Amino acid sequence: DVKVTQSSRYLVKRTGEKVFLECVQDMDHENMFWYRQDPGLGLRLIYFSYDVKMKEKGDIPEGYSVSREKKERFSLILESASTNQTSMYLCASSFTGSVTEAFFGQGTRLTVV
Amino acid sequence: AQKVTQAQTEISVVEKEDVTLDCVYETRDTTYYLFWYKQPPSGELVFLIRRNSFDEQNEISGRYSWNFQKSTSSFNFTITASQVVDSAVYFCALSELGAGNMLTFGGGTRLMVKP
Repeated sequence: DVKVTQSSRYLVKRTGEKVFLECVQDMDHENMFWYRQDPGLGLRLIYFSYDVKMKEKGDIPEGYSVSREKKERFSLILESASTNQTSMYLCASSFTGSVTEAFFGQGTRLTVV
Repeated sequence: AQKVTQAQTEISVVEKEDVTLDCVYETRDTTYYLFWYKQPPSGELVFLIRRNSFDEQNEISGRYSWNFQKSTSSFNFTITASQVVDSAVYFCALSELGAGNMLTFGGGTRLMVKP
């Protein structure tokens, strides 16, 4: 079974902290994604990566950065957490080539206080 | 730019009722893919179906069926004889060819099935 694992289910951080959200997939997928989920807005793409050390901005990259040093791992970084970044964060991965389904992790619910 | 609209934010039904979740999309591409995902309370999105824009055949999988109509840009999802385990948030999503498998999601529909 494809598995996408996010390091934390719940996180509470203080305003101004640097926050790292980690995601690991075990299916050798080329593509990895970070989405943010807010009620009524669905999932919105923050960043994605189609290869090691490659990254592309999604729809809402402001306030975030990413790192992909190894194929299986994709990290989302909040440089200076703010309360408006309180949200559910979902990582996903997929094969490249023709459009295929993405596989999702269980999500990290981040609260910034 | 692409857009997906799920007008129903919440639906509540009683077990064994049929329910249809609506999805309307916008895209300028002629080649695109449509998806439905289920998000149970555990949080992980579960893939349900993928259709490409050239295949308008309706699909049935057990109690689930999907109606794809390009003329109305809709990809609706029907659950027949709903069960409590169907309670979840359902997302419709769109991916354009060449978009790197990026998905554009609708806002989601929360389905509550009461016993």
